[in-house]
Amino acid sequence: GENVEQHPSTLSVQEGDSAVIKCTYSDSASNYFPWYKQELGKGPQLIIDIRSNVGEKKDQRIAVTLNKTAKHFSLHITETQPEDSAVYFCAASSNSGYSTLTFGKGTMLLVSP
Amino acid sequence: NAGVTQTPKFRVLKTGQSMTLLCAQDMNHEYMYWYRQDPGMGLRLIHYSVGEGTTAKGEVPDGYNVSRLKKQNFLLGLESAAPSQTSVYFCASRYGGYNEQFFGPGTRLTVL
Repeated sequence: GENVEQHPSTLSVQEGDSAVIKCTYSDSASNYFPWYKQELGKGPQLIIDIRSNVGEKKDQRIAVTLNKTAKHFSLHITETQPEDSAVYFCAASSNSGYSTLTFGKGTMLLVSP
Repeated sequence: NAGVTQTPKFRVLKTGQSMTLLCAQDMNHEYMYWYRQDPGMGLRLIHYSVGEGTTAKGEVPDGYNVSRLKKQNFLLGLESAAPSQTSVYFCASRYGGYNEQFFGPGTRLTVL
């Protein structure tokens, strides 16, 4: 089955700095890579996703890059703000079967004012 | 729309007791999922359903059962709770053909 590794497990940055979270996956059949943000006491919420036919996708201060050859993808947050503080999860899925997601173990991002 | 709702929000059980967690969605989604979240372990899939009347095992199904008698509801049952089942449980749903999963607010379960 799929295995997703996520690093780092914790990340502390100053407000305004950039933050990068990296994930690797094992199944070459995976073709959908979402990122979820989980605030304290809430369920995860999708913030951005990318499919295997695209190398990069941006949405305002958030971007995701994908390297299918190396089987890794990354989340980039620019101009971080205190409200970006949360746990971020990467995940991978293939469109074969019933498209279940395999999640990384999460990164706790702390943005200090 | 309420989205995905979970009942109850908190529960404390004694070892050996049984309980059912309810997940409901009002988005007419085909697919529904149950995950557990433990510190440092991320989200792990317990069971899922691809439509009314169907269920399938995920990564960590042992000790749990599920039912999807109505399209909008997905029930997770613990027949004989164990301390190892202490966790936060999340339900999620999505449309068929679309990959985004919408999560509920979670149920925090403690088994003593």
